[in-house]
Amino acid sequence: NAGVTQTPKFQVLKTGQSMTLQCAQDMNHNSMYWYRQDPGMGLRLIYYSASEGTTDKGEVPNGYNVSRLNKREFSLRLESAAPSQTSVYFCASSEGDRHSNQPQHFGDGTRLSIL
Amino acid sequence: SQQGEEDPQALSIQEGENATMNCSYKTSINNLQWYRQNSGRGLVHLILIRSNEREKHSGRLRVTLDTSKKSSSLLITASRAADTASYFCATPGPKGSSYKLIFGSGTRLLVRP
Repeated sequence: NAGVTQTPKFQVLKTGQSMTLQCAQDMNHNSMYWYRQDPGMGLRLIYYSASEGTTDKGEVPNGYNVSRLNKREFSLRLESAAPSQTSVYFCASSEGDRHSNQPQHFGDGTRLSIL
Repeated sequence: SQQGEEDPQALSIQEGENATMNCSYKTSINNLQWYRQNSGRGLVHLILIRSNEREKHSGRLRVTLDTSKKSSSLLITASRAADTASYFCATPGPKGSSYKLIFGSGTRLLVRP
């Protein structure tokens, strides 16, 4: 049982390049999330998806786009990477919906550096 | 914004000792969650405590919730080197967006062998 799988694990980009971070879960969860984690800070929500085809902005959505391809997959795209987007990105999923709050299951992250 | 803040920011103890970390939040909540993060890994859910619960146990973990003080504590008893990690509390977002979890900045726990 893999849980939440993120690819790639590490990536270095140059400013202005684009990239898509992939996430897949095998727990049949409805809700999926993208977070970023910066040193000394907790996780900050970038985007949320309650179901296939629906997405909502989180706390820090600027510079990012997402796509909920199907129930399993939720991708995060950086169209034009900036050094401020250097961070560790985590994908998570949960059984919760818009109105409830359930434990979230996290992937092991993608470490992204923008030069 | 509503946020859990952990205290202390860092804690160093000897193996076998107990570790206590605290979380304070700003507005009313219906539940609070604790997560652990080992170095280089994702967060792992430890325990969820609801607003009508005062205390909850899971193995060597004991979580308390005091809604009047808007605070929670996580106690790890008989700590082990493997407990070395960062611990985060998380509270629900505002009404209408309770699916959002607001994470604190965490407590870094070091358990010395």
